[in-house]
Amino acid sequence: QVQLQESGPGLVKPSESLSLTCSVSGDSISSYHWSWIRQSAGKGLEWIGRLLTRGTTNYNPSLERRVTISADTSKNQFSLKLSSVTAADTAVYYCTRVVVPATYGAFDIWGQGIMVTVSS
Amino acid sequence: DIMMTQSPLSLPVTPGEPASISCRSSQSLLSSGGSTYLEWYLQKPGQSPQVLISLTSNRASGVPDRFSGSGSGTDFTLKISRVEAEDVGIYYCMQALQTPYTFGQGTTLEIK
Repeated sequence: QVQLQESGPGLVKPSESLSLTCSVSGDSISSYHWSWIRQSAGKGLEWIGRLLTRGTTNYNPSLERRVTISADTSKNQFSLKLSSVTAADTAVYYCTRVVVPATYGAFDIWGQGIMVTVSS
Repeated sequence: DIMMTQSPLSLPVTPGEPASISCRSSQSLLSSGGSTYLEWYLQKPGQSPQVLISLTSNRASGVPDRFSGSGSGTDFTLKISRVEAEDVGIYYCMQALQTPYTFGQGTTLEIK
């Protein structure tokens, strides 16, 4: 059973970069596709981007200039980096497994989520 | 981006009664392969969202058969035949036809 766990700082200063890691247990990260989704009070659930097994990334155009998703196969982890953050980036960030095509549900496994606040 | 619009946003229901949530997309979710990529998620209090329904009407593993999804093109419905206390939470529709994946605003189901 694949399980996901987010980690990273809970507080980030405005204009700095937000960096989160998702640790995958139960299977190899190389076997699946992965994604980040965030949830804020103001915008609900927002898809951030995905990392496909062959290394291809797709990002939400609204965030594309600031987002990078990458994997570290040696640690069985994938990560999110969001640069130049503002208060609007305050949210709960979820890492998920993403299934393509979405025959049985696009986001079938979710981490518990990590709250990130952007404030000085 | 495909916009997803849900109604109602709040849904108080008496246990044992049925419930229905509507979802409309700004463009058809029918793929060239003939599948319609509309999904439903439930976020129970204090938990991460979980998939309920995929491809408009396919229940995910372990989802009770009191949940059913229907619709086509741009108009979709999630129905609960008899609401139970454990069904409280926020229900989201989501389109998985193309990136960026987009979600509805969410419908909060509460027990009367």
